[in-house]
Amino acid sequence: DSGVTQTPKHLITATGQRVTLRCSPRSGDLSVYWYQQSLDQGLQFLIQYYNGEERAKGNILERFSAQQFPDLHSELNLSSLELGDSALYFCASSEHTDTQYFGPGTRLTVL
Amino acid sequence: GIQVEQSPPDLILQEGANSTLRCNFSDSVNNLQWFHQNPWGQLINLFYIPSGTKQNGRLSATTVATERYSLLYISSSQTTDSGVYFCAVDPNTGGFKTIFGAGTRLFVKA
Repeated sequence: DSGVTQTPKHLITATGQRVTLRCSPRSGDLSVYWYQQSLDQGLQFLIQYYNGEERAKGNILERFSAQQFPDLHSELNLSSLELGDSALYFCASSEHTDTQYFGPGTRLTVL
Repeated sequence: GIQVEQSPPDLILQEGANSTLRCNFSDSVNNLQWFHQNPWGQLINLFYIPSGTKQNGRLSATTVATERYSLLYISSSQTTDSGVYFCAVDPNTGGFKTIFGAGTRLFVKA
């Protein structure tokens, strides 16, 4: 157990809908990262927050947004969902920008 | 942007054998990590190793930053070592973006 929690574990929804994925980092970790893992594109970095501030942005679509709250948990919002958004979404946390500990992931299926 | 290449892409071992996985990167990096994704999908951090050598049980890793590569050694492999091994780097330029290689898929036969 990495100490990073993600909810929900599985999510099935329809095209055009909006969903929110939640991540709680390990106690004491200030950085939160979001990744998308799909069969065709592998593990892709989406976005990083550090102590509530956005620190780095990767291949994140404009339909996706994220935030980190004062208690350091983070949410990833995915809107206007398309079939191609079906993937495993991981959250990771680290104390600063060092070793990253991954949560169990949320498997999103868009029908 | 930076390119991260892992080799071999696939590897089949008999239990007890040793192996070396390689990660090449095309530009200088701030840090490098090795992860194991088990058959249930969980990503487990193995090493944080921007340079030098580290060992943890049957696993060890070496990063030669000046030559832009890292090696992961697995000795006396076990069936539980099966899964995908990823190398991930944070490039020196372009902000704090972690770039993953495509992985090495390892299957250890009993």
